Amino acid sequence: GAVVSQHPSWVICKSGTSVKIECRSLDFQATTMFWYRQFPKQSLMLMATSNEGSKATYEQGVEKDKFLINHASLTLSTLTVTSAHPEDSSFYICSASGRAGDTQYFGPGTRLTVL
Amino acid sequence: SQQGEEDPQALSIQEGENATMNCSYKTSINNLQWYRQNSGRGLVHLILIRSNEREKHSGRLRVTLDTSKKSSSLLITASRAADTASYFCATETSGSRLTFGEGTQLTVNP
Repeated sequence: GAVVSQHPSWVICKSGTSVKIECRSLDFQATTMFWYRQFPKQSLMLMATSNEGSKATYEQGVEKDKFLINHASLTLSTLTVTSAHPEDSSFYICSASGRAGDTQYFGPGTRLTVL
Repeated sequence: SQQGEEDPQALSIQEGENATMNCSYKTSINNLQWYRQNSGRGLVHLILIRSNEREKHSGRLRVTLDTSKKSSSLLITASRAADTASYFCATETSGSRLTFGEGTQLTVNP
């Protein structure tokens, strides 16, 4: 089956620093990748949708200048949390699909803790 | 607003019993999917039911979909302690966009 990886699996950083999270599709080409955020004991909230080679589409209320998304290749998307603050601490999960309408395959998630 | 509300929020049963979780949504959908998440881990896709389907089975899982009521249910039969996890429904609308429900925390006691 399709495999999606994320790196790192967890990261701790100081307030004000930037953190980059990678999402890779290992055995298929992902035209579309999605980024979700999940706070403890809550559901997944879609942050943005990225299509290879084009700008990401952000959900309402998500700051595009704070959460920079790059989908430069068919197997890699990155999420950079800029000037991170403690309230950005969360579980970030990506998913990837081969094309619109295809099943999304989820990565294992990245736990971000901002001190 | 968040599409997809699930009930119950938490469910505790004994091994061997059946577990039923419900999901309601608000808008038209292409399909509805159920996922499982162990604590602090990623999502595992369980089953997908299309908008023109009414029932689907996969092993010990049975999913129903009632588009007139905009609701779905997930039944896990003969539950096991290893089934302990959070279960989420997710509705897919245009552009493969998934909207997740609030989730049900299932605890199966040995």
